[in-house]
Amino acid sequence: AQKVTQAQTEISVVEKEDVTLDCVYETRDTTYYLFWYKQPPSGELVFLIRRNSFDEQNEISGRYSWNFQKSTSSFNFTITASQVVDSAVYFCALSERGNTPLVFGKGTRLSVIA
Amino acid sequence: GAVVSQHPSWVICKSGTSVKIECRSLDFQATTMFWYRQFPKQSLMLMATSNEGSKATYEQGVEKDKFLINHASLTLSTLTVTSAHPEDSSFYICSALGGFGADTQYFGPGTRLTVL
Repeated sequence: AQKVTQAQTEISVVEKEDVTLDCVYETRDTTYYLFWYKQPPSGELVFLIRRNSFDEQNEISGRYSWNFQKSTSSFNFTITASQVVDSAVYFCALSERGNTPLVFGKGTRLSVIA
Repeated sequence: GAVVSQHPSWVICKSGTSVKIECRSLDFQATTMFWYRQFPKQSLMLMATSNEGSKATYEQGVEKDKFLINHASLTLSTLTVTSAHPEDSSFYICSALGGFGADTQYFGPGTRLTVL
């Protein structure tokens, strides 16, 4: 069975601090996809990244970066120089294939304080 | 491209009534759509898989007679909550499979249902 664990329920940081959101996953599949989504108060899911299991390269997109390590089954997300607009719930998710449903972690609520 | 809409965005209804939620893929065809439910301050949980032209597949614990899913066309899936009760109050989000090879999920903006 697939499982995604986001151990951090809530994180609060002061603006401009760096913050890392942890994600640990479990799957028996050798091929799978990992995702991060942002959910602001409006509720709409904002897609951030998709990574397949064969691509362990770290990714950087502006202030966002992701660290994928198969050896520890982790796919952590770092926000550099956090801003108030980063305040949201962040979900890590896993799917067996691109066309199968996502299994979501419980989410991490990030509050960035000015 | 790859936009998914949901209607309504929010709805308030009385207990015992039925509510229909629409999920549309606006600029692509989707043979498969997924329905998720999110209770307040909780994660998203898959309710069912909707396939065009066939019966939906429901996850364990989801009552198929209460949550009726119809995927009558390649761009529209509907979820009807029948005889809604306050415990059905939740955020319902659909996703549609699109992209090259239909291997990318595009999420709708969600529908917030409140049952009084």
